[in-house]
Amino acid sequence: DVKVTQSSRYLVKRTGEKVFLECVQDMDHENMFWYRQDPGLGLRLIYFSYDVKMKEKGDIPEGYSVSREKKERFSLILESASTNQTSMYLCASSIAGETQYFGPGTRLLVL
Amino acid sequence: QKEVEQDPGPLSVPEGAIVSLNCTYSNSAFQYFMWYRQYSRKGPELLMYTYSSGNKEDGRFTAQVDKSSKYISLFIRDSQPSDSATYLCAMSTSNFGNEKLTFGTGTRLTIIP
Repeated sequence: DVKVTQSSRYLVKRTGEKVFLECVQDMDHENMFWYRQDPGLGLRLIYFSYDVKMKEKGDIPEGYSVSREKKERFSLILESASTNQTSMYLCASSIAGETQYFGPGTRLLVL
Repeated sequence: QKEVEQDPGPLSVPEGAIVSLNCTYSNSAFQYFMWYRQYSRKGPELLMYTYSSGNKEDGRFTAQVDKSSKYISLFIRDSQPSDSATYLCAMSTSNFGNEKLTFGTGTRLTIIP
């Protein structure tokens, strides 16, 4: 079974803090994704990566950056957290011929 | 207009009923169709993954795709309280692995014992 893990289930941060969300997958997948999920808006793609050190912007990259130094690990960085970044953050991974598998999510609250 | 439309519900049905969940879409280039189940405060879990038109069955679940009508459905037979969750449809134009998925907003389903 594909296993995607995320470093935290719940996080509470202050406005202006730098926030790191980490995702690890154990299936040697080339592709990894970060989404945010908000009520009524569904899942929106923030960034994705198709290889180590490679990244592509998704639909809503503003205010976020990513890092992929190792194949199994994909980090999402909020450079200066704001209240409108309060959300559920979901990481996913995939390989050619298959669809995306998701981690359990991180609920981030920015105060 | 959104690329993928999904009735948000909520939908409540008695245990044992047949449930029908649906999505419509506007992009005729979509070829791959998925249904994810998401329990409260958890990540989406892949239920069904289908290519092009037709039906696919897996236990109590049947996924149906009608590309001519741009309409996909998920049927749940003999529904159980454990099926209570939000169901997300998703679709893509390819399956190379790095393509973007386009999601519906999800339908919240409750099965009443």
